[in-house]
Amino acid sequence: QSALTQPASVSGSPGQSITISCTGTSSDVGGYNYVSWYQQHPGKAPKLMIYEVSNRPSGVPDRFSGSKSGNTASLTISGLQAEDEADYYCSSYTSSSTPYVFGTGTKVTVL
Amino acid sequence: EVQLVESGGGLVQPGRSLRLSCAASGFTFDDYAMHWVRQAPGKGLEWVSGISWNSGSIGYADSVKGRFTISRDNAKNSLYLQMNSLRAEDTALYYCAKDMSGFDAFDIWGQGTMVTVSS
Repeated sequence: QSALTQPASVSGSPGQSITISCTGTSSDVGGYNYVSWYQQHPGKAPKLMIYEVSNRPSGVPDRFSGSKSGNTASLTISGLQAEDEADYYCSSYTSSSTPYVFGTGTKVTVL
Repeated sequence: EVQLVESGGGLVQPGRSLRLSCAASGFTFDDYAMHWVRQAPGKGLEWVSGISWNSGSIGYADSVKGRFTISRDNAKNSLYLQMNSLRAEDTALYYCAKDMSGFDAFDIWGQGTMVTVSS
């Protein structure tokens, strides 16, 4: 099972919007609505930001939103803030022998 | 407070074994599936293994199948990972993560325990 494909880096200025893509196959992202997104600050554990493609856990700002089209999921951060600078990983349930796969990770830089 | 605390990591020689533990608190442990996720230094996340609430369903990544064994003790609110035949490529920070029931996501994470496989 190969990792889902994410851009290595995305950057934006404070207040802008950015979108991170997560591309898989029909066996994972395209086949299930079990796509989730995680934020990881340096030296910290990952934090769940989005589950089931577009749902936010309690406490996650509504600046974070998720969507999916075909085999590609996306995370959008609107009104970018300095504290959003972190690594972001997508994850999906899969029909392969390894039931969960993560993305390659995207480093978000706030300019 | 919902909390997961991993322990048991360390430096181990290739081919040797190590057992990781994860102590859970602040939630009803035996209501949820649990997982191990690892992160090699400077690399991304990799799902390693998961176990259902009653240990009736267990899964492993292909990369560890046959070498690692996941288990849990609901009476002790604890999750374990027995790692045998360790390889250099198993070197990583190992996280314990709580399953977000019904959504195939990981909603609570521990701080991780570092495993280094080296001679």
